[in-house]
Amino acid sequence: GAVVSQHPSWVICKSGTSVKIECRSLDFQATTMFWYRQFPKQSLMLMATSNEGSKATYEQGVEKDKFLINHASLTLSTLTVTSAHPEDSSFYICSARAGGYTDTQYFGPGTRLTVL
Amino acid sequence: DAKTTQPTSMDCAEGRAANLPCNHSTISGNEYVYWYRQIHSQGPQYIIHGLKNNETNEMASLIITEDRKSSTLILPHATLRDTAVYYCIVRAYLNTDKLIFGTGTRLQVFP
Repeated sequence: GAVVSQHPSWVICKSGTSVKIECRSLDFQATTMFWYRQFPKQSLMLMATSNEGSKATYEQGVEKDKFLINHASLTLSTLTVTSAHPEDSSFYICSARAGGYTDTQYFGPGTRLTVL
Repeated sequence: DAKTTQPTSMDCAEGRAANLPCNHSTISGNEYVYWYRQIHSQGPQYIIHGLKNNETNEMASLIITEDRKSSTLILPHATLRDTAVYYCIVRAYLNTDKLIFGTGTRLQVFP
């Protein structure tokens, strides 16, 4: 199956700093990538949809100036959490849409962000 | 996209078949049924999807009722590694890209 990677797998940072998370589709091109956030014991919540070469579309309640998304190529999307605070601590997961017949989304392994 | 209803949790003995139900009574004609699972602290894993015919792959079988208002995911021989949260999601093919996750079913496979 299609493989999606994320880097880093976990990160600890101080409050007020910015953190960048990378999402790569390794064996397919993804015109669309998605970013989700998951708090403990909760389901995944979609944050934004990222289309290659265009601005991301954010879900209601997600601050676009705080969660910067860049999708510069067909295999790479990045999420930058700016001026992170402890309440931003969460599990961030990306997915990439494979398109074609299956039109299936494949997920990365997730990035655990802890803000001190 | 249509909403789905799944039991909160289920248990299954190792080696037995695990049958996970999903209700999607408001599903539209162009909406597919997708199943994903999430093992603790990992990203979701795609399992299977279907429109109206039953589907089978190396991981599972998907049985969709004739009226398409419900479906069942079958893991034929559950193992301890199948312990996870299983999500049933309906989505229109190429109509919307969003996967909206509900609360899923927490499957516990015991020895």
